[in-house]
Amino acid sequence: DVKVTQSSRYLVKRTGEKVFLECVQDMDHENMFWYRQDPGLGLRLIYFSYDVKMKEKGDIPEGYSVSREKKERFSLILESASTNQTSMYLCASSTGQGVVETQYFGPGTRLLVL
Amino acid sequence: SQQGEEDPQALSIQEGENATMNCSYKTSINNLQWYRQNSGRGLVHLILIRSNEREKHSGRLRVTLDTSKKSSSLLITASRAADTASYFCAPGSSNTGKLIFGQGTTLQVKP
Repeated sequence: DVKVTQSSRYLVKRTGEKVFLECVQDMDHENMFWYRQDPGLGLRLIYFSYDVKMKEKGDIPEGYSVSREKKERFSLILESASTNQTSMYLCASSTGQGVVETQYFGPGTRLLVL
Repeated sequence: SQQGEEDPQALSIQEGENATMNCSYKTSINNLQWYRQNSGRGLVHLILIRSNEREKHSGRLRVTLDTSKKSSSLLITASRAADTASYFCAPGSSNTGKLIFGQGTTLQVKP
């Protein structure tokens, strides 16, 4: 079974802090994604990556950056956390190139920025 | 936008009844997927239906797709309390290589 793990289930940070959210998948998937989920807004794509060292902006990349140095790991970085980045963050991975296949999700990280 | 829009936003039924959720989208798709999310958890893939398929079954789940109407439905038969969750449709296009998730339908199954 595909396993996607996220470094923290809950995280509390202060405004202005640099925040790292880590995601690791164990199925050699090419594609990895970061979403945020907010009530009434559904899941919104922040960034995705189709290969190592490759990244593409999603629908709401502002205030975020990502890093993919190894195939199995995709990191989301909040350069200077703000209160409006309080949210549930979900990482996902999938196989396939240019084909929209099943995405496998991690358990999520609930981030609170004070 | 290809975003899936689910209807209804919330549904409450008794155990044993069937639950039907609908999804509409706006552009051409390669496939359409349905996911479930239990409270506070990640999403779990339920079923994928390709654009050349009209109906697909998986256990108590039945999904239909009508590409001419740009709509899909998810039917859960003989619902159980454990089916209580949010359900999301996600149309996908090979043009963008992305899934676009709707806001979901919250299903409550009362024992």
